[in-house]
Amino acid sequence: EAGVTQSPTHLIKTRGQQATLRCSPISGHTSVYWYQQALGLGLQFLLWYDEGEERNRGNFPPRFSGRQFPNYSSELNVNALELEDSALYLCASSQAGQRNTGELFFGEGSRLTVL
Amino acid sequence: GQQLNQSPQSMFIQEGEDVSMNCTSSSIFNTWLWYKQEPGEGPVLLIALYKAGELTSNGRLTAQFGITRKDSFLNISASIPSDVGIYFCAGQRSGTSYGKLTFGQGTILTVHP
Repeated sequence: EAGVTQSPTHLIKTRGQQATLRCSPISGHTSVYWYQQALGLGLQFLLWYDEGEERNRGNFPPRFSGRQFPNYSSELNVNALELEDSALYLCASSQAGQRNTGELFFGEGSRLTVL
Repeated sequence: GQQLNQSPQSMFIQEGEDVSMNCTSSSIFNTWLWYKQEPGEGPVLLIALYKAGELTSNGRLTAQFGITRKDSFLNISASIPSDVGIYFCAGQRSGTSYGKLTFGQGTILTVHP
């Protein structure tokens, strides 16, 4: 069974540009979560999507947005990139019945570098 | 953003030694979890705890959910080289925090053969 897949693996952008990151959850999982992992820090919760709807949002500005598609895959968009947006962006998924357990399955992440 | 206080930040140990790390918070969590992240990989769940006072084992790993709901610890017995990685604690509340995990800063574990 394929795990959570993310693309691209690496992305380099300049300040002010937009970045789009993509995630495919494990087959059968309906919830998708996005976390930011900056160097030397733990993971910071960004967004949670379930059944196509945004269910919860972390303390990030509105230029961080996303969506979930009917096939449960998800996209994270970061507009007006700033240098401090440089980080590893991790996507995770969970089954519908597990979404309140904290048991997440993570992908390998997309490394975003903002120059 | 709010994070859990995880300690120690790093550990350098010899193979065969036992390891202990802990996580504390100023507020209550309903669920405590421990994840491990290896280089180039995403975090992988090791142990999940759902009840205050609960003690759970997974092979050489043992974790406990503090009775006050504000802390948790993870022990690794008889460490081996493949235990190397970053260990994260994470907590989850209910209500408006539904679906959101709060992570600690991580403990970097190095095991010398």
